Amino acid sequence: QTVVTQEPSFSVSPGGTVTLTCGLSSGSVATGNNPSWYQQTPGRAPRTLIYNTNARSSGVPDRFSGSIVGNKAALTITGAQADDESDYYCLLYLGSGIRVFGGGTKLTVL
Amino acid sequence: EVQLLESGGNLVQSGGSLRLSCAASGFAFSTYVMTWVRQAPGKGLEWVAGISAIDGGTYYADSVKGRFTISRDNSKNTLYLQMNSLRAEDTALYYCANSVSYAMDVWGQGTTVTVSS
Repeated sequence: QTVVTQEPSFSVSPGGTVTLTCGLSSGSVATGNNPSWYQQTPGRAPRTLIYNTNARSSGVPDRFSGSIVGNKAALTITGAQADDESDYYCLLYLGSGIRVFGGGTKLTVL
Repeated sequence: EVQLLESGGNLVQSGGSLRLSCAASGFAFSTYVMTWVRQAPGKGLEWVAGISAIDGGTYYADSVKGRFTISRDNSKNTLYLQMNSLRAEDTALYYCANSVSYAMDVWGQGTTVTVSS
């Protein structure tokens, strides 16, 4: 069974840049996996940030960007702000209609 | 404004059944792939099921295949999730979302399902 992997936690200083990654337990992530990224703060529904690897969802500031780095999908936050402190999830399309979320990364801004 | 409103969550005994609904408004519901995602207490997001806009094709996570059925009524702009043979591990907040390019776009606020053993 394919597992989607993310760093369990990450920290960044205010104003700093951080790159979160999303990999596959077997194989490389490619644009065909249509990586997408979601932000969730406690008690709230997720918010869509990025779809199709690097397309920003409506209203998402341009300091959030998506890419493929090596064999993983990546979410980069530049100029981190206090309210970026959240859980971040990636989602990969594995074919045949099946999608799988990663386990999520808890980002701390301090 | 795009809105998704889930309902139908409840406390149910293990082995029981429940049907969730998601009422959509503000967009052309019949043209969108629709998805159910769940989140167990204190855990991450889990993609549960999806249904195509064009041919009504359905897709399921292995954890629910054979027990859950996703369906839609385009005349009522409503998405459903029929859940049978419920287990304690199905306890979660269930979200519906519309999908764009294999990703979720807009999310509802969720409905809570609790399965007691």
